Amino acid sequence: SQTIHQWPATLVQPVGSPLSLECTVEGTSNPNLYWYRQAAGRGLQLLFYSVGIGQISSEVPQNLSASRPQDRQFILSSKKLLLSDSGFYLCAWGQRDEQYFGPGTRLTVT
Amino acid sequence: AQSVTQLGSHVSVSEGALVLLRCNYSSSVPPYLFWYVQYPNQGLQLLLKYTSAATLVKGINGFEAEFKKSETSFHLTKPSAHMSDAAEYFCAVTRNGNQFYFGTGTSLTVIP
Repeated sequence: SQTIHQWPATLVQPVGSPLSLECTVEGTSNPNLYWYRQAAGRGLQLLFYSVGIGQISSEVPQNLSASRPQDRQFILSSKKLLLSDSGFYLCAWGQRDEQYFGPGTRLTVT
Repeated sequence: AQSVTQLGSHVSVSEGALVLLRCNYSSSVPPYLFWYVQYPNQGLQLLLKYTSAATLVKGINGFEAEFKKSETSFHLTKPSAHMSDAAEYFCAVTRNGNQFYFGTGTSLTVIP
């Protein structure tokens, strides 16, 4: 069966510091991969999605970036965090018409 | 453009009462529609999905949803609420299976 891992589970970072969140998927090959951000009371915002290694589509312009160095690895990064980057970050994988979510990372920027 | 609108950010029901969570979609072509549930500090779990087969879709935990093209709706229902149903519920839509768009969520409270 397929599993999706995210780490860290929680993270507290000062404004201006870099960020790296990692997501890995097991038990499937060539999945679509997604990064979402969930801010309080605002639902899920699609940040990036990838249909293959090195293929990244950005949904919103911001100071975040994503990379997919391996088939089942998806990384969310920032060079300098802003206060507004605080939120719950969810990675998901999908094939055909379904998505499956990881446990999420709670990021607090102070 | 695709989008979903969830009416009511907070819904409260008594234990044993009917649960009705509303979702309306906007899509230029018949979409795929989903309902997800999220428990505190966890990821989202798929409840059910509509993919142009039967219009009445049954999901896990006794939930079901009916696709009504004439009303552009995909409301989620459960005949009898249980305390364990208290969670955040999200409606989502996709047309191409790559980009998914989520509603802002509805928080369900179940009153004992």
